[in-house]
Amino acid sequence: RKEVEQDPGPFNVPEGATVAFNCTYSNSASQSFFWYRQDCRKEPKLLMSVYSSGNEDGRFTAQLNRASQYISLLIRDSKLSDSATYLCAVFGYGGSQGNLIFGKGTKLSVKP
Amino acid sequence: ETGVTQTPRHLVMGMTNKKSLKCEQHLGHNAMYWYKQSAKKPLELMFVYSLEERVENNSVPSRFSPECPNSSHLFLHLHTLQPEDSALYLCASSHTGNTEAFFGQGTRLTVV
Repeated sequence: RKEVEQDPGPFNVPEGATVAFNCTYSNSASQSFFWYRQDCRKEPKLLMSVYSSGNEDGRFTAQLNRASQYISLLIRDSKLSDSATYLCAVFGYGGSQGNLIFGKGTKLSVKP
Repeated sequence: ETGVTQTPRHLVMGMTNKKSLKCEQHLGHNAMYWYKQSAKKPLELMFVYSLEERVENNSVPSRFSPECPNSSHLFLHLHTLQPEDSALYLCASSHTGNTEAFFGQGTRLTVV
């Protein structure tokens, strides 16, 4: 099983739609979780951290389910500018140092 | 001014060349990372430096040689690369521990 798995998509949705992505992780000892956004040919940018209690930032809501080992990202009222690849990242311990491990990303395309 | 700066942004090199990628962070972080991003693959962690000491080397070929002279600077020295090494090389930094990482804009490397 891969360490961090995401559905690659693409998710094609109309403007205004609500879309949700899931990301599963294999290491039950993982400590921290993040969602990043990556635009085409650009670097990943931190979108939000994912806390045990869940967190919300405007139209974006992130949830963590430790029992089932997945995190989710919900985007409400999608905008054209939300089109990007969304990467989940999990901080886990392997070797002598914790590492931030990324999924392959889920591509979102918001259409007019 | 961006927090993490990488140079050059683009690099084309022959298989017999020697070149270096540079990364500089202005965020006061004490951990720095090199990631490789190839098409249709997840971000691959190459090297981790924490407090200027290398703590992870994820089985990267010796033709890639990192250097971290201080907590703000990170280099990746390249020699005798192969065409399959063509990719986007991303530098990131963070505080040590399970915190989020911030990325530079990347160097898009093409080996011919």
